[in-house]
Amino acid sequence: EDQVTQSPEALRLQEGESSSLNCSYTVSGLRGLFWYRQDPGKGPEFLFTLYSAGEEKEKERLKATLTKKESFLHITAPKPEDSATYLCAVQALGTKIIFGSGTRLSIRP
Amino acid sequence: NAGVTQTPKFQVLKTGQSMTLQCAQDMNHEYMSWYRQDPGMGLRLIHYSVGAGITDQGEVPNGYNVSRSTTEDFPLRLLSAAPSQTSVYFCASSPRQGGVGGELFFGEGSRLTVL
Repeated sequence: EDQVTQSPEALRLQEGESSSLNCSYTVSGLRGLFWYRQDPGKGPEFLFTLYSAGEEKEKERLKATLTKKESFLHITAPKPEDSATYLCAVQALGTKIIFGSGTRLSIRP
Repeated sequence: NAGVTQTPKFQVLKTGQSMTLQCAQDMNHEYMSWYRQDPGMGLRLIHYSVGAGITDQGEVPNGYNVSRSTTEDFPLRLLSAAPSQTSVYFCASSPRQGGVGGELFFGEGSRLTVL
């Protein structure tokens, strides 16, 4: 069964303190791995798509990486406005897109 | 640009009542889907559609029906509401079939409470 697990569930950082969020997955043939950001009371907003092991994508203070079993979302020198829930999702064979339960990130000024 | 529009934003139902959550997109996307989001469980796929006239089940389809008569609209029907269906529902669309190579565009969500 396709499965996506994110850790930690919650992470509190001081402004400027870099860290990483983890997304491990078990799927029968990965077609794509996605990262989303979700603010309270809003729908998720797309950040990145990764297709194959070794691939990396960057956007401002965020960098996503992919291996054969997991993906990391690295946050460098975060600011309070980076506080949100970060969701990982995978698409295996077929058309379903399955989400993990997310990591709630809080950045203190 | 409107993007993905969901209505209503909030709804309270009694057990056994039926209702339809509406979803419309103006981006000519072929792929549309419905998710529910519950605390600690992330987003779970209910039903999805890869084009008009085609629908399929996701992870948690029981108690929900969908149809796709047009490219723009993808309504979600609750036939007989139960308290376990209390949740926040999100509709999402993608320009590419199955979302591969393209991202999902989400609506703002519909918060449903079943008493």
